[in-house]
Amino acid sequence: DAKTTQPTSMDCAEGRAANLPCNHSTISGNEYVYWYRQIHSQGPQYIIHGLKNNETNEMASLIITEDRKSSTLILPHATLRDTAVYYCIVRVGGGTSYGKLTFGQGTILTVHP
Amino acid sequence: DAGVTQSPTHLIKTRGQQVTLRCSPKSGHDTVSWYQQALGQEPQFIFQYYEEEERQRGNFPDRFSGHQFPNYSSELNVNALLLGDSALYLCASSVQWGSGNTEAFFGQGTRLTVV
Repeated sequence: DAKTTQPTSMDCAEGRAANLPCNHSTISGNEYVYWYRQIHSQGPQYIIHGLKNNETNEMASLIITEDRKSSTLILPHATLRDTAVYYCIVRVGGGTSYGKLTFGQGTILTVHP
Repeated sequence: DAGVTQSPTHLIKTRGQQVTLRCSPKSGHDTVSWYQQALGQEPQFIFQYYEEEERQRGNFPDRFSGHQFPNYSSELNVNALLLGDSALYLCASSVQWGSGNTEAFFGQGTRLTVV
Protein backbone atom coordinates (compact mmCIF):
# COMPACT_ATOMS: atom_id res chain seq x y z
CA ASP A 1 0.00 0.00 0.00
CA ALA A 2 1.16 3.54 -0.82
CA LYS A 3 2.68 5.66 1.93
CA THR A 4 0.94 8.86 2.98
CA THR A 5 2.25 12.10 4.44
CA GLN A 6 0.14 14.31 6.68
CA PRO A 7 0.89 17.36 8.81
CA THR A 8 1.43 16.46 12.45
CA SER A 9 -1.15 18.89 13.78
CA MET A 10 -3.64 21.53 12.72
CA ASP A 11 -5.93 23.99 14.45
CA CYS A 12 -9.36 25.17 13.41
CA ALA A 13 -11.93 27.58 14.84
CA GLU A 14 -15.30 26.17 15.70
CA GLY A 15 -17.81 26.74 12.89
CA ARG A 16 -15.12 27.16 10.26
CA ALA A 17 -14.13 24.63 7.63
CA ALA A 18 -11.27 22.31 8.48
CA ASN A 19 -9.13 21.31 5.50
CA LEU A 20 -6.81 18.39 6.17
CA PRO A 21 -4.24 17.63 3.45
CA CYS A 22 -2.67 14.31 2.59
CA ASN A 23 0.10 13.52 0.13
CA HIS A 24 0.22 10.11 -1.53
CA SER A 25 2.53 10.66 -4.46
CA THR A 26 3.19 6.94 -5.04
CA ILE A 27 -0.45 5.92 -5.23
CA SER A 28 -1.29 3.28 -7.82
CA GLY A 29 -4.22 3.27 -10.18
CA ASN A 30 -6.13 0.66 -8.20
CA GLU A 31 -5.60 2.24 -4.80
CA TYR A 32 -8.29 4.11 -2.93
CA VAL A 33 -7.91 6.98 -0.47
CA TYR A 34 -9.62 6.37 2.87
CA TRP A 35 -10.02 8.71 5.82
CA TYR A 36 -10.59 7.59 9.39
CA ARG A 37 -10.55 9.54 12.60
CA GLN A 38 -9.92 8.51 16.17
CA ILE A 39 -11.28 10.44 19.07
CA HIS A 40 -9.25 9.99 22.23
CA SER A 41 -9.26 6.39 23.49
CA GLN A 42 -12.00 5.29 21.10
CA GLY A 43 -11.81 3.01 18.07
CA PRO A 44 -11.14 4.61 14.69
CA GLN A 45 -14.21 5.80 12.83
CA TYR A 46 -14.61 5.65 9.07
CA ILE A 47 -15.25 9.05 7.45
CA ILE A 48 -15.09 8.79 3.68
CA HIS A 49 -13.20 7.22 0.80
CA GLY A 50 -12.68 7.79 -2.91
CA LEU A 51 -10.81 6.62 -5.98
CA LYS A 52 -10.49 9.63 -8.28
CA ASN A 53 -13.70 11.58 -8.13
CA ASN A 54 -14.57 14.01 -5.36
CA GLU A 55 -16.85 12.52 -2.76
CA THR A 56 -19.23 13.96 -0.21
CA ASN A 57 -21.24 12.41 2.59
CA GLU A 58 -22.95 13.63 5.72
CA MET A 59 -19.68 13.92 7.57
CA ALA A 60 -17.20 15.38 5.12
CA SER A 61 -16.03 16.00 1.58
CA LEU A 62 -13.01 14.44 -0.08
CA ILE A 63 -11.19 16.29 -2.82
CA ILE A 64 -8.66 14.25 -4.84
CA THR A 65 -6.35 16.03 -7.25
CA GLU A 66 -6.48 15.07 -10.89
CA ASP A 67 -3.10 13.32 -10.74
CA ARG A 68 -4.28 11.57 -7.53
CA LYS A 69 -1.05 12.38 -5.75
CA SER A 70 -2.76 14.31 -2.99
CA SER A 71 -6.14 14.79 -1.40
CA THR A 72 -7.92 17.04 1.09
CA LEU A 73 -10.51 16.09 3.65
CA ILE A 74 -12.93 18.92 4.34
CA LEU A 75 -15.08 19.18 7.45
CA PRO A 76 -17.39 22.01 6.39
CA HIS A 77 -18.39 23.31 9.81
CA ALA A 78 -16.02 22.00 12.47
CA THR A 79 -17.29 21.51 16.00
CA LEU A 80 -15.46 20.79 19.23
CA ARG A 81 -16.46 17.14 18.84
CA ASP A 82 -14.38 16.97 15.66
CA THR A 83 -11.19 17.25 17.70
CA ALA A 84 -9.42 13.96 16.91
CA VAL A 85 -6.54 12.31 15.09
CA TYR A 86 -7.32 12.06 11.38
CA TYR A 87 -5.72 9.26 9.38
CA CYS A 88 -5.33 9.25 5.61
CA ILE A 89 -4.87 5.69 4.35
CA VAL A 90 -4.25 4.48 0.83
CA ARG A 91 -4.95 0.89 -0.01
CA VAL A 92 -5.92 -1.50 -2.76
CA GLY A 93 -9.60 -2.22 -2.90
CA GLY A 94 -11.24 -5.59 -2.73
CA GLY A 95 -10.66 -8.98 -1.22
CA THR A 96 -8.60 -9.50 1.87
CA SER A 97 -7.53 -5.89 2.04
CA TYR A 98 -10.85 -4.63 3.34
CA GLY A 99 -9.92 -5.06 6.97
CA LYS A 100 -6.18 -4.50 6.77
CA LEU A 101 -5.31 -0.85 7.17
CA THR A 102 -1.83 0.62 7.40
CA PHE A 103 -2.04 3.69 9.61
CA GLY A 104 0.46 6.52 9.49
CA GLN A 105 1.00 9.09 12.22
CA GLY A 106 -2.12 11.04 11.25
CA THR A 107 -3.00 14.69 11.85
CA ILE A 108 -4.08 15.89 15.27
CA LEU A 109 -6.91 18.32 14.59
CA THR A 110 -7.79 20.63 17.45
CA VAL A 111 -10.98 22.65 17.12
CA HIS A 112 -11.02 25.78 19.28
CA PRO A 113 -14.10 27.62 20.59
CA ASP B 1 -28.05 -3.19 14.73
CA ALA B 2 -25.14 -3.62 17.07
CA GLY B 3 -21.79 -2.56 15.75
CA VAL B 4 -18.51 -4.21 16.66
CA THR B 5 -18.43 -5.22 20.30
CA GLN B 6 -15.31 -6.06 22.28
CA SER B 7 -14.88 -7.49 25.75
CA PRO B 8 -13.65 -6.81 28.28
CA THR B 9 -13.20 -3.04 28.08
CA HIS B 10 -10.31 -2.99 30.53
CA LEU B 11 -8.00 -5.68 31.81
CA ILE B 12 -4.98 -5.84 34.11
CA LYS B 13 -2.61 -8.79 33.88
CA THR B 14 0.73 -9.74 35.36
CA ARG B 15 3.87 -10.37 33.31
CA GLY B 16 4.06 -13.94 32.10
CA GLN B 17 0.32 -14.50 32.20
CA GLN B 18 -1.93 -15.24 29.27
CA VAL B 19 -4.89 -13.17 28.12
CA THR B 20 -7.88 -13.67 25.82
CA LEU B 21 -9.75 -10.80 24.23
CA ARG B 22 -13.05 -11.18 22.42
CA CYS B 23 -14.73 -9.51 19.47
CA SER B 24 -18.14 -9.79 17.86
CA PRO B 25 -18.27 -8.32 14.36
CA LYS B 26 -20.92 -6.08 12.91
CA SER B 27 -23.94 -7.92 11.55
CA GLY B 28 -23.30 -9.07 7.99
CA HIS B 29 -19.51 -8.95 8.31
CA ASP B 30 -17.44 -12.11 7.99
CA THR B 31 -13.88 -10.90 8.52
CA VAL B 32 -12.20 -9.81 11.72
CA SER B 33 -8.91 -7.95 11.98
CA TRP B 34 -7.01 -7.19 15.16
CA TYR B 35 -4.83 -4.17 15.87
CA GLN B 36 -2.55 -3.12 18.69
CA GLN B 37 -2.29 0.55 19.58
CA ALA B 38 0.37 1.55 22.07
CA LEU B 39 -0.13 4.80 23.93
CA GLY B 40 0.47 7.76 21.63
CA GLN B 41 1.03 5.57 18.57
CA GLU B 42 -1.04 4.61 15.57
CA PRO B 43 -2.79 1.23 15.37
CA GLN B 44 -0.63 -1.65 14.12
CA PHE B 45 -2.15 -4.57 12.25
CA ILE B 46 -1.76 -7.89 14.06
CA PHE B 47 -3.69 -10.38 11.91
CA GLN B 48 -6.93 -11.03 10.08
CA TYR B 49 -9.33 -13.98 10.24
CA TYR B 50 -11.73 -15.14 7.58
CA GLU B 51 -13.48 -18.50 7.31
CA GLU B 52 -11.96 -19.46 10.67
CA GLU B 53 -8.42 -19.18 9.31
CA GLU B 54 -5.69 -16.62 9.72
CA ARG B 55 -5.38 -14.94 6.33
CA GLN B 56 -2.88 -12.17 6.87
CA ARG B 57 -0.44 -11.38 9.62
CA GLY B 58 1.53 -8.33 10.60
CA ASN B 59 4.92 -8.22 12.27
CA PHE B 60 3.94 -9.77 15.60
CA PRO B 61 5.52 -12.76 17.39
CA ASP B 62 3.88 -16.15 17.73
CA ARG B 63 2.84 -15.25 21.27
CA PHE B 64 -0.05 -13.52 19.54
CA SER B 65 -2.59 -15.99 18.22
CA GLY B 66 -6.24 -15.93 17.36
CA HIS B 67 -9.31 -17.84 16.53
CA GLN B 68 -12.50 -17.26 14.61
CA PHE B 69 -15.70 -19.11 15.34
CA PRO B 70 -18.44 -20.24 12.92
CA ASN B 71 -20.55 -17.22 13.94
CA TYR B 72 -17.64 -14.98 12.81
CA SER B 73 -16.75 -13.81 16.30
CA SER B 74 -13.08 -13.88 17.16
CA GLU B 75 -10.61 -14.15 20.00
CA LEU B 76 -7.13 -12.73 20.36
CA ASN B 77 -4.79 -14.63 22.66
CA VAL B 78 -1.51 -13.34 23.96
CA ASN B 79 0.83 -15.68 25.87
CA ALA B 80 3.73 -14.87 28.16
CA LEU B 81 2.70 -11.26 28.55
CA LEU B 82 5.38 -8.58 28.53
CA LEU B 83 5.16 -5.07 29.87
CA GLY B 84 5.38 -3.88 26.27
CA ASP B 85 2.13 -5.64 25.45
CA SER B 86 0.27 -2.95 27.36
CA ALA B 87 -1.90 -1.26 24.74
CA LEU B 88 -5.36 -0.69 23.37
CA TYR B 89 -6.38 -3.73 21.34
CA LEU B 90 -8.79 -2.94 18.56
CA CYS B 91 -10.99 -5.26 16.58
CA ALA B 92 -12.24 -4.29 13.14
CA SER B 93 -14.87 -6.12 11.14
CA SER B 94 -15.40 -6.05 7.40
CA VAL B 95 -16.62 -8.16 4.53
CA GLN B 96 -14.22 -10.25 2.53
CA TRP B 97 -15.76 -9.77 -0.85
CA GLY B 98 -18.15 -7.17 -2.13
CA SER B 99 -19.34 -5.45 -5.23
CA GLY B 100 -17.47 -2.33 -4.22
CA ASN B 101 -15.08 -1.18 -1.57
CA THR B 102 -16.42 -1.23 1.92
CA GLU B 103 -15.05 0.28 5.06
CA ALA B 104 -13.89 -1.50 8.17
CA PHE B 105 -15.80 -0.87 11.39
CA PHE B 106 -13.89 -0.72 14.64
CA GLY B 107 -14.89 -1.62 18.15
CA GLN B 108 -14.09 0.58 21.13
CA GLY B 109 -11.15 -1.59 22.07
CA THR B 110 -9.85 -3.43 25.10
CA ARG B 111 -7.35 -1.56 27.23
CA LEU B 112 -4.78 -4.11 28.44
CA THR B 113 -2.36 -3.16 31.18
CA VAL B 114 0.48 -5.54 32.02
CA VAL B 115 2.11 -5.00 35.43
